[in-house]
Parts: sequence; structure tokens; C-alpha cells
Amino acid sequence: DIQMTQSPSTLSASVGDRVTITCRASQSIFTWLAWYQQKPGKAPNLLVYKASSLESGVPSRFSGSGSGTEFTLTIGSLQPDDFATYYCQQYDSYPLTFGGGTKVEIK
Amino acid sequence: EVQLLESGGGLVQPGGSLRLSCAASGFTFDNYAMTWVRQPPGKGLEWVSLISAHSLRSDYADSVKGRFVISRDNSKNTVFLQMNSLRAEDTAMYYCAKDKQRGAGEDHFDYWGQGTLVAVSS
Repeated sequence: DIQMTQSPSTLSASVGDRVTITCRASQSIFTWLAWYQQKPGKAPNLLVYKASSLESGVPSRFSGSGSGTEFTLTIGSLQPDDFATYYCQQYDSYPLTFGGGTKVEIK
Repeated sequence: EVQLLESGGGLVQPGGSLRLSCAASGFTFDNYAMTWVRQPPGKGLEWVSLISAHSLRSDYADSVKGRFVISRDNSKNTVFLQMNSLRAEDTAMYYCAKDKQRGAGEDHFDYWGQGTLVAVSS
């Protein structure tokens, strides 16, 4: 199984900050990676797929990059609505696996 | 508008069974694979199972293999998860989700239901 490791697990930041979340795969997944945002009590929301393709309707301050085993999700200028938990997910092979999540908190 | 509506969750004793349903609308259901993802209280996301558009392929997490069965009825735009031999560690919110891409292989999810809660306890 491919293990997905996210860091950090918690991140404290202020509105306007540039934020970067890292996701590492235990083996190459090429660019078969998605990022989701989840707010408390809500279902996840797709932000990025194929490592760097922005989902329709997602603000352009979100961007994804990487290939192989190392990936990043960047929020260019953190907004109040962005305080949430973020998950990566690989879809290179089964079983599909998610990272453990990164909670972005208000500093 | 795409909608996914889960039902069937509840409280069940260890060893018991439960059948979850997910009713879909707003898209051509038989063009897309569907998946179940669960989330234990206060914890992260865990993929459970996926079924292809015409039920030719299904896959399961090791943690549920042999106990859970995924199926779909394309005439009713509904996907099911039959859960048998339930354990305390199966306690979670269960979400159904739709593949973003038509066809097979690129299994990431653009629409999710609101979830149905399964609690396994005596």
C-alpha cells in the first residue's frame, strides 16, 4: 500500500500569510494526487487534482505542485474562509489512500 | 445540480450488519464510478470501497475486505454498501462520493454527500 505523509499536522497562521502544506508518498505516484479541504461537520471539498490542476470554482490563491513522491499545496494569501483541515489523496494505485491531514488554525 | 444523499446509518451491535444507500441525482449516474469514504470521530479520512460505472470492477480497503460489499443499481441511481460483521473500529461518518472523471482509473472525487453516521457499540 502507498503511505501518504502530510506535514505539518497542525499549522498556525494569520490572515494574509503564505501557507505551504507538504504531502509525501512512500513510492512514486507520478502526478496522481488530489487535495481536499474539509471544514468541521462538512464533507471534503476537492481543491486540486492531478497534482496541479485547480478544480473549477476554487480560488486562484490555491495552487498545487510536485510529482513523484513530493507534493505541495500552497495558499498564496490566507483568507478567513481557509481555516480548515486539508488532506492529500493518491490515486495511482489501490487501495486509495489519504494523508493524515493538516489543520490550519488561526494564529 | 449534483446531489448525493446517504441513508441507512445508525447504532448497531458488534457483529451486526447495516446497509448504507446513496441516492444520486443531477448527473448521468452510469457514467461514473462511485466510492465510499469514512471518517471516525475526530480522525482523518479513510477510503473504504469503489465500484466502477457498470459494476465490472470493485475494490476494497484491507480493513473491510471480506466484510463489506459495494453494489449499485443504475436504474435507481443508487450505490449501496452492505456492512457485515461490524466492529467498534467501523464507527465513523460514511460519505459517498462521485468520481470526477468519466471512465476508469482517475479516482478522485468532485462531489460528496453529507454523510451518514454508523456507530458500532453494545
